[in-house]
Amino acid sequence: NAGVTQTPKFRILKIGQSMTLQCAQDMNHNYMYWYRQDPGMGLKLIYYSVGAGITDKGEVPNGYNVSRSTTEDFPLRLELAAPSQTSVYFCASSENRVNTEAFFGQGTRLTVV
Amino acid sequence: DQQVKQNSPSLSVQEGRISILNCDYTNSMFDYFLWYKKYPAEGPTFLISISSIKDKNEDGRFTVFLNKSAKHLSLHIVPSQPGDSAVYFCAASDRATNKLIFGTGTLLAVQP
Repeated sequence: NAGVTQTPKFRILKIGQSMTLQCAQDMNHNYMYWYRQDPGMGLKLIYYSVGAGITDKGEVPNGYNVSRSTTEDFPLRLELAAPSQTSVYFCASSENRVNTEAFFGQGTRLTVV
Repeated sequence: DQQVKQNSPSLSVQEGRISILNCDYTNSMFDYFLWYKKYPAEGPTFLISISSIKDKNEDGRFTVFLNKSAKHLSLHIVPSQPGDSAVYFCAASDRATNKLIFGTGTLLAVQP
């Protein structure tokens, strides 16, 4: 039981490049989330999903896209990377919305230069 | 617009004493609250939670108090241990949107 797995752990992108951050969970959780954490700041919600085929914008969705074609996977796509997207990205999943905790991956440290 | 606020960026306490971490929220649609602990270079890990129908939940050394009228919750750790040194995040779940919103975190340092 791996929990929430994020890949890659580290990545350096050039301005204007694109990439996909992968997130997979093996707990059959319905809810999945993407957050970013900037230095000295809290976790900001980028996108979230309450089930396969359903996604919604969070607090800071601009510059990102997501898809949820399966229960297990929730990839985050960065198009036209910008220095402002330099951050640590965390994926999380939870069974449902209440009375259950969200489990987090180890994070992806992304630098855009 | 910060819906979940942790106004103390850092807190330092002596080993064995009580640590009190505070969190305020503005959204009345929040009905479930959680505390997470985060060590450097790791993902956050769940600590304790509370439903809005309760005002207290206890788990070992950790107790969370919820004051709905004040839109305030707090995490008490007693006795504090050096291994408790970490960043603590407060989070809230919005029943209207299904969003899970986090605060900015408080860095707790427990001095031996």
